[in-house]
Amino acid sequence: RKEVEQDPGPFNVPEGATVAFNCTYSNSASQSFFWYRQDCRKEPKLLMSVYSSGNEDGRFTAQLNRASQYISLLIRDSKLSDSATYLCVVFSGNTGKLIFGQGTTLQVKP
Amino acid sequence: DVKVTQSSRYLVKRTGEKVFLECVQDMDHENMFWYRQDPGLGLRLIYFSYDVKMKEKGDIPEGYSVSREKKERFSLILESASTNQTSMYLCASSLSGGPSDTQYFGPGTRLTVL
Repeated sequence: RKEVEQDPGPFNVPEGATVAFNCTYSNSASQSFFWYRQDCRKEPKLLMSVYSSGNEDGRFTAQLNRASQYISLLIRDSKLSDSATYLCVVFSGNTGKLIFGQGTTLQVKP
Repeated sequence: DVKVTQSSRYLVKRTGEKVFLECVQDMDHENMFWYRQDPGLGLRLIYFSYDVKMKEKGDIPEGYSVSREKKERFSLILESASTNQTSMYLCASSLSGGPSDTQYFGPGTRLTVL
């Protein structure tokens, strides 16, 4: 079983739609959680950290459920420019390393 | 703005060749990382370094070695390239390696081994 699991998609949505991605992690010792964004043929970049109380950054909302060991990302009012792969990332307290999910691909259509 | 650069965007090598991938960061970061990214497998950590001349094995170190002689530079070496090392290689750096640290990635090197 992978330490961080995501549905690879692709998720195809029209502009203006709301879309949500989930991610599960297996290590209960995981300390920190992030969403990274990776555009086609580009490097990953930090989108946002995920805090226990949930956090919002404009149209993006991230939530963490430690009891169920899952993380979510909600994108409201999708834009064409949101088309990318979204990587769920977990910092492992055991190893001191980031563990990356394989990513969920989002395609926003006009 | 943090900048991580990698020596080549695309590289084609033959089986058995020795391959050097170079990475340089300009933000005085302590930690540097080498990953490979393959479809369906995501990013996998090959090696990382938390200080000059220090290195630690990641999850898939076999067939690779690294060198960190200066703080800003982290090299990945394929001693004898094989076709299963065809991949996208991504270098990253972070300030201190703590749980809330952001990793900054270079643009990647797409290596093809024939």
